[in-house]
Amino acid sequence: GAVVSQHPSRVICKSGTSVKIECRSLDFQATTMFWYRQFPKQSLMLMATSNEGSKATYEQGVEKDKFLINHASLTLSTLTVTSAHPEDSSFYICSARVLGVPDGYTFGSGTRLTVV
Amino acid sequence: SQQGEEDPQALSIQEGENATMNCSYKTSINNLQWYRQNSGRGLVHLILIRSNEREKHSGRLRVTLDTSKKSSSLLITASRAADTASYFCATPPGNNNDMRFGAGTRLTVKP
Repeated sequence: GAVVSQHPSRVICKSGTSVKIECRSLDFQATTMFWYRQFPKQSLMLMATSNEGSKATYEQGVEKDKFLINHASLTLSTLTVTSAHPEDSSFYICSARVLGVPDGYTFGSGTRLTVV
Repeated sequence: SQQGEEDPQALSIQEGENATMNCSYKTSINNLQWYRQNSGRGLVHLILIRSNEREKHSGRLRVTLDTSKKSSSLLITASRAADTASYFCATPPGNNNDMRFGAGTRLTVKP
C-alpha cells in the first residue's frame, strides 16, 4: 500500500533555531501533500497544502514565512519551522492523496516537536 | 477550519462494553472517514462510508451515516483495552482535496 515516511519522529530544539521535517512517499508519487498540526488533546488542523513544483497554499492564520514548505519532487515534501518558539511545540503530521485510489489518503507517523 | 464536531469528547467504558461515538459535519460530502490515533502517534484509517451509504461494517466496527442530519456514528462492539485511543471523523471538502477532521473522541477502555 501507499506509504508516507515521516522523519524525525521526535525532535527537541532550542528557541530560535530551525527544524526541518521530511515526508517521503515511498511507493507512489505524491503530487499534493498536506501538513497538519495537532496540539495536545486537540484535533488535526490543516496548516498548508503543498503541490509539487509550485508554492504552498497556507490556511488562514498560518505564517508562511515561519512554516516554510518545499515540495521540490514528487516523492518529497518538507516543512521547516523557522525561528522556533515554545508555542510551536506540537505534533506535526503530513498526508498525501493517493492517486488512483478513490478517496485515498495516507498519513505520515507524525513528528513530535518540542521547543525549549 | 474544523469540519466536524464529535461527541462525546471523552468516553470511558469497561472492557466488553460497546462504545458509540458521534460526529456531525457542516458541508455536503462525498464520503466520511473514521480514523484512530494512539497517543502521540500517527493516524490509522478505520473505515470509509460514502454519501449514498447508510451503514457499513468492518469487524467490530459499525458506522452509520445520516446525510439529512449531517451526522455519523462509530460503534465499537465488545471493546478491548487495546481500543483505547482517540477517534476522529474526517471528510474531504467538496473539491475533494484535503481532509478536515472533527474534534475527536478520547476513548478509554478499562480492563
